[in-house]
Amino acid sequence: QQQVKQSPQSLIVQKGGISIINCAYENTAFDYFPWYQQFPGKGPALLIAIRPDVSEKKEGRFTISFNKSAKQFSLHIMDSQPGDSATYFCAASKGSGTYKYIFGTGTRLKVLA
Amino acid sequence: DAGVIQSPRHEVTEMGQEVTLRCKPISGHNSLFWYRQTMMRGLELLIYFNNNVPIDDSGMPEDRFSAKMPNASFSTLKIQPSEPRDSAVYFCASSLSPGQGQYGYTFGSGTRLTVV
Repeated sequence: QQQVKQSPQSLIVQKGGISIINCAYENTAFDYFPWYQQFPGKGPALLIAIRPDVSEKKEGRFTISFNKSAKQFSLHIMDSQPGDSATYFCAASKGSGTYKYIFGTGTRLKVLA
Repeated sequence: DAGVIQSPRHEVTEMGQEVTLRCKPISGHNSLFWYRQTMMRGLELLIYFNNNVPIDDSGMPEDRFSAKMPNASFSTLKIQPSEPRDSAVYFCASSLSPGQGQYGYTFGSGTRLTVV
């Protein structure tokens, strides 16, 4: 129940295309869902995050879609660029006094030039 | 802001030796986290501190692992004795506490540990 399941494990997209990464969770107590981007040799960096009171959040080319009833959320990267090639992690946490993230297993994205 | 600073960046040690990883969190952040990343298991939370106090160490694999945070600007993760299966990238991250706004973690660049 503490797991966050992420798919696909790897993804290859043409430049200009849309990259979509999906995550699913079981614990309905989770109330904060961030996405992290990690380049080789670097630590993960916060990309965008959403709370379950909204169904979508957009920041530039990055959009999180959230489906509370299905307990799923996804990251969409519009107009994907080679510089977006990285590993993406979804995560979930329970607020209110705890700050422990449960991370998905990661998606390795490669955007072809 | 220099971000979260970890040292060393790379560590190669022999099985049985003691290893100490170091972390300096972002000034003003009062939560600190140690994660381990491997291909097989992804990102695993080992332990986290709030206001220098260990809050949850349920992810620490066994007694060979210990972590301390003697003050707000420094933390260590120690493995004694080290084993080849401890080989991984160890990340330290810091953040503001819950209730101060969830701005997410800021991760360091990690320490790549190889135990031979």
